[in-house]
Amino acid sequence: QMTQSPSSLSASVGDRITITCRASQSIKTSLNWYHQEPGKAPTILISGGSDLQSGVPFRFSGSGSGTEFTLTISSLQPEDFGTYYCQQSYTTPRTFGQGTKVEIK
Amino acid sequence: QVQLVQSGAEVKKPGASVKISCKASGYLSPSYGISWVRQAPGQGLEWMGWTSISNGATNYAQNLQDRFTMTTDTSTSTAYVELRSLRSDDTAIYYCARDEIGRGRLDFWGQGTLVTVSS
Repeated sequence: QMTQSPSSLSASVGDRITITCRASQSIKTSLNWYHQEPGKAPTILISGGSDLQSGVPFRFSGSGSGTEFTLTISSLQPEDFGTYYCQQSYTTPRTFGQGTKVEIK
Repeated sequence: QVQLVQSGAEVKKPGASVKISCKASGYLSPSYGISWVRQAPGQGLEWMGWTSISNGATNYAQNLQDRFTMTTDTSTSTAYVELRSLRSDDTAIYYCARDEIGRGRLDFWGQGTLVTVSS
């Protein structure tokens, strides 16, 4: 079971935002983060808890291990709106969090 | 470049079956499998299962395995998912995604296939 918080947030361009993902049991660092814009397929941002994927801007960062993880956007940009999902890849089924919808003020 | 190209949208009646394809290209398949993920309208992502294109190994989400079968054609690097006894709550966009063996990250996604179940 993966639980994200908050379920939604509204922030201004340039703000620093943090999304939290909690696992019901330890998943070590097997945690991935995805971004989904409306009407599009998700794209991967971070794998292994903190490994920034190729081509992903440096304003995104991930941290955590065990049961608690965070995704931080250091300076929110207009293209960052959409929904963010965490997913554990420690075991199957590879469950997703319920998502965090980010709106730009 | 890595591409996952899925088959087109489907409209089915309750109780029918649907089979969706996902053709992979641009990478060597032994290091990767394909995960299937679905998203009901306005809802989050649901992981359905994983399959290896190179040897056909599978791993299913328990709540779907009775109605859901993943197959592969290694000669064409194509993965398939078939869902039987369709219900209205199976209406969703179905995605395939490349799944790196041992890491479980979904690093490339297909464009999605909308399946609508309606009488």
